[in-house]
Amino acid sequence: NAGVTQTPKFQVLKTGQSMTLQCAQDMNHEYMSWYRQDPGMGLRLIHYSVGAGITDQGEVPNGYNVSRSTTEDFPLRLLSAAPSQTSVYFCASSYLDRAIFGANVLTFGAGSRLTVL
Amino acid sequence: ELKVEQNPLFLSMQEGKNYTIYCNYSTTSDRLYWYRQDPGKSLESLFVLLSNGAVKQEGRLMASLDTKARLSTLHITAAVHDLSATYFCAVAPSGGGADGLTFGKGTHLIIQP
Repeated sequence: NAGVTQTPKFQVLKTGQSMTLQCAQDMNHEYMSWYRQDPGMGLRLIHYSVGAGITDQGEVPNGYNVSRSTTEDFPLRLLSAAPSQTSVYFCASSYLDRAIFGANVLTFGAGSRLTVL
Repeated sequence: ELKVEQNPLFLSMQEGKNYTIYCNYSTTSDRLYWYRQDPGKSLESLFVLLSNGAVKQEGRLMASLDTKARLSTLHITAAVHDLSATYFCAVAPSGGGADGLTFGKGTHLIIQP
């Protein structure tokens, strides 16, 4: 199993350009989420999805769009890139594990490093 | 709004020593997670703590949870260089968890020979 696959691993954009970060999982997990990691800030939740067709905003959603048309895929779209969106982006998938009382243990992708000039 | 605070944020220690990382959170929760991140890598799950008084141990790492104090600790015993990494705690809102976790800022741990 590949787990959670993110593409691209690295990307450089100019201000105002748009792009999509891809995320795919092959574990049949119900839940998927996007986080961004900035130095000294930990991980901050951007958007999440509890199933196909259902998405919601996290802590820092502005400037990003998501959709979840299938269980496997959860792309993150930057509509008009800004330097403040320079970050490392992590996609994660999970399910509520009834064997451990519904714990939601995330499996993370390898990350996508985005630089906006 | 759920807030998660870790301290210290940076820790340099010698091999063989013991130390504790603290994780405080601001609102009721009964699900706390610890993750490890090596430089330039992704996050790896270490522990899941689900109830007051829960204690989990793996090798030289031991994690505990006090839900009344809203505090979790990650204790390192007789540290070795391989434990050098950034450690994050993350908390799920009470009654849920599918809607994402709130992470602390991480503790950057360097263990020197």
